[in-house]
Amino acid sequence: DAGITQSPRHKVTETGTPVTLRCHQTENHRYMYWYRQDPGHGLRLIHYSYGVKDTDKGEVSDGYSVSRSKTEDFLLTLESATSSQTSVYFCAISATGGHSNEQFFGPGTRLTVL
Amino acid sequence: GENVEQHPSTLSVQEGDSAVIKCTYSDSASNYFPWYKQELGKRPQLIIDIRSNVGEKKDQRIAVTLNKTAKHFSLHITETQPEDSAVYFCAASMTGGGADGLTFGKGTHLIIQP
Repeated sequence: DAGITQSPRHKVTETGTPVTLRCHQTENHRYMYWYRQDPGHGLRLIHYSYGVKDTDKGEVSDGYSVSRSKTEDFLLTLESATSSQTSVYFCAISATGGHSNEQFFGPGTRLTVL
Repeated sequence: GENVEQHPSTLSVQEGDSAVIKCTYSDSASNYFPWYKQELGKRPQLIIDIRSNVGEKKDQRIAVTLNKTAKHFSLHITETQPEDSAVYFCAASMTGGGADGLTFGKGTHLIIQP
């Protein structure tokens, strides 16, 4: 597996609390992504980053914010968690621009909002 | 934005038979089409991808075909084996997977019957 980790791996929180998920890579890849995976919906893009301090919204960005202050770290923040944000969150990285466009996924974070 | 439809949602085949999963996309500007395999509790992993300037690509028992005119692409698995049992996702991108992330289909649960 590519050098990509996520923390925490599991989290249970209460409605209304802020939550931050971390994605860390050791591949020095330019692009990083946050997806959520829900039964019946596949994977949906939340936010992505194309460089340090360069981020943009994906398909389901409402209620989420991101930050990337270093190449290796991409943070996803739920400002005020809701039950609808209970999901499995995957971070992905991509070198893009070279011979491959492959996105490598992290191990995932299972978030439960009570 | 892009919309990817995937069928069937569940596919059961006898071991040794072939399996075909089909996807359609909406945006003719899409030019990169990867397929991911996800085993239970694991991260998605790329198994094969194809670009819009290629009609077919093979890798051992796996092949992908692309019909740009009809805007559909398919995954073909021959001589299926028990380890092929998993959920398969198709995806599409207008920028080769980088800069704007991937739009995924909702997945196909492939079951290989012994």
